[in-house]
Amino acid sequence: SAVISQKPSRDICQRGTSLTIQCQVDSQVTMMFWYRQQPGQSLTLIATANQGSEATYESGFVIDKFPISRPNLTFSTLTVSNMSPEDSSIYLCSVDPRTARDEQFFGPGTRLTVL
Amino acid sequence: KNQVEQSPQSLIILEGKNCTLQCNYTVSPFSNLRWYKQDTGRGPVSLTIMTFSENTKSNGRYTATLDADTKQSSLHITASQLSDSASYICVVTPRNTDKLIFGTGTRLQVFP
Repeated sequence: SAVISQKPSRDICQRGTSLTIQCQVDSQVTMMFWYRQQPGQSLTLIATANQGSEATYESGFVIDKFPISRPNLTFSTLTVSNMSPEDSSIYLCSVDPRTARDEQFFGPGTRLTVL
Repeated sequence: KNQVEQSPQSLIILEGKNCTLQCNYTVSPFSNLRWYKQDTGRGPVSLTIMTFSENTKSNGRYTATLDADTKQSSLHITASQLSDSASYICVVTPRNTDKLIFGTGTRLQVFP
């Protein structure tokens, strides 16, 4: 299994500001993903974080709003830029270690509230 | 369109009772179907993973079934405990993709 940590675990921010969320994995993984979970909703994929290249964004998500870095195989950051109250969500990092079990592991999430 | 629907949306049961959660999907073809448990304020944790050719998988008091013909899966929880209170999410992986299709989840509350 993969152990994933995220920082911060929660934050309250003012609109118009930006927040960078960190994701650290205890082993090298090829596939790393960022998800958003809005209140009462299921998870929505924001982007796939690619090591050494630009992230691949899903429809409805753009790099200017959610810039992502992936400097190595154990670490990634997601920035939520120019925040508005609609960005209040849980943001989760996920990895797929590509084992035979084909399992995807999730971090504990970052709970963001934008005032 | 690939969709995963779960029922009921929420469920309240008494400690010690059994319950069954349902998942209907339209994803086809698919590689696997997973059930995750998500405690409040936590990330999802995998309970079971079934490939398209499997029809049952157990993990302790959790038993998942899969009927690929009717595109239905269920998660049965036996002898529920207070710690089972959580959201349970059905997730399907379409074949030849890394992207997961998430259901909206069932929120289970177990009361003493």
